[in-house]
Amino acid sequence: DAGVTQSPTHLIKTRGQQVTLRCSPKSGHDTVSWYQQALGQGPQFIFQYYEEEERQRGNFPDRFSGHQFPNYSSELNVNALLLGDSALYLCASSLDPPTGGSSYEQYFGPGTRLTVT
Amino acid sequence: GENVEQHPSTLSVQEGDSAVIKCTYSDSASNYFPWYKQELGKGPQLIIDIRSNVGEKKDQRIAVTLNKTAKHFSLHITETQPEDSAVYFCAASLEAALIFGKGTTLSVSS
Repeated sequence: DAGVTQSPTHLIKTRGQQVTLRCSPKSGHDTVSWYQQALGQGPQFIFQYYEEEERQRGNFPDRFSGHQFPNYSSELNVNALLLGDSALYLCASSLDPPTGGSSYEQYFGPGTRLTVT
Repeated sequence: GENVEQHPSTLSVQEGDSAVIKCTYSDSASNYFPWYKQELGKGPQLIIDIRSNVGEKKDQRIAVTLNKTAKHFSLHITETQPEDSAVYFCAASLEAALIFGKGTTLSVSS
């Protein structure tokens, strides 16, 4: 059973460019969340996608956008890259909880290391 | 919004000793508290979690306790082994977002 997969593993971009990161969820999962992890810090929530819609968003600017496809895979797009966007970008998948239920377990992929020069 | 504080930031123990990591959260509505282990160059791995209707949960050498009144929860690792060396993160959640602490670097020396 494949876990969460992400591509590419590493990426180097220049300030001002745009980048697209990809994620395939764990088999059977329908919800994808994206997190940014700066060096030495805990992951920070960017947004979550369910049924191809952005369901919740963290404190990130509109330069960060996403998409979820009918097969539940997801993309994270970042426009107008800044040096401060250099980080490990993590994708986590989960099952959507029943209405009124609490969070389900989120399983993380290995991440994409983005370096902005 | 939710804020999670985690202590200590670094923890060094001898193999076989116990290790305890503590977290506090600010939003009393949070109801799900997972713990993750992250090894160098890898994504966080879920090791144990607890929900607000439970006070304690144990899985072999790992246990988590939750005090809802004080809004704090702790990770306990017994009989530590060198392979337990990693960064450990606590998190709190109400709905979609996991809010993480800043992590604890655990070093187990043999």
